[in-house]
Amino acid sequence: SAVISQKPSRDICQRGTSLTIQCQVDSQVTMMFWYRQQPGQSLTLIATANQGSEATYESGFVIDKFPISRPNLTFSTLTVSNMSPEDSSIYLCSSTAGWDSNYGYTFGSGTRLTVV
Amino acid sequence: GESVGLHLPTLSVQEGDNSIINCAYSNSASDYFIWYKQESGKGPQFIIDIRSNMDKRQGQRVTVLLNKTVKHLSLQIAATQPGDSAVYFCAENKDSSYKLIFGSGTRLLVRP
Repeated sequence: SAVISQKPSRDICQRGTSLTIQCQVDSQVTMMFWYRQQPGQSLTLIATANQGSEATYESGFVIDKFPISRPNLTFSTLTVSNMSPEDSSIYLCSSTAGWDSNYGYTFGSGTRLTVV
Repeated sequence: GESVGLHLPTLSVQEGDNSIINCAYSNSASDYFIWYKQESGKGPQFIIDIRSNMDKRQGQRVTVLLNKTVKHLSLQIAATQPGDSAVYFCAENKDSSYKLIFGSGTRLLVRP
């Protein structure tokens, strides 16, 4: 299955600033997704990163707060903008070449963000 | 310190025993389900998957059972080992968008 390199692995940021998280997949994939995992909780889908077009956001998440780029089939970024302590979470990217393929869904190792 | 799983329900089992982790899913139209294992500081790791046209699927030491009537999914781990200690999530694919929606998760603790 595909391997995702996600960076940074962790960061401590000042409130009001922005952080951009990057994910690089080692093979071409159909879909890429971004998730948030708050401490002690499950994963919540933020958005689907669409190649060459605007991301599709889930309810409760907006582009101004979480702008996403996907310039090609193997790379995507998520920016957490104007951060507040409530944004402290683990952010994960995921990819799939479709469940009919042998790739399944793969996850990056996550970015642990602390906002102070 | 570990932040994954602190507030999740916990299943504690003796090493060598079998473990059963349960999950209720929400959408009767979901047609694909996956179990993931997440260790502290890592992303979710694929364990086993099952499609809605199946009731049971077996892997190495793991079995997934799907009951579509009551929208219930279970993961059985045979001869549980200390390395199985982690948080386990079920995930469902609700539509043709390929989006995976995760369940609430269960923390598995294996007692030596």
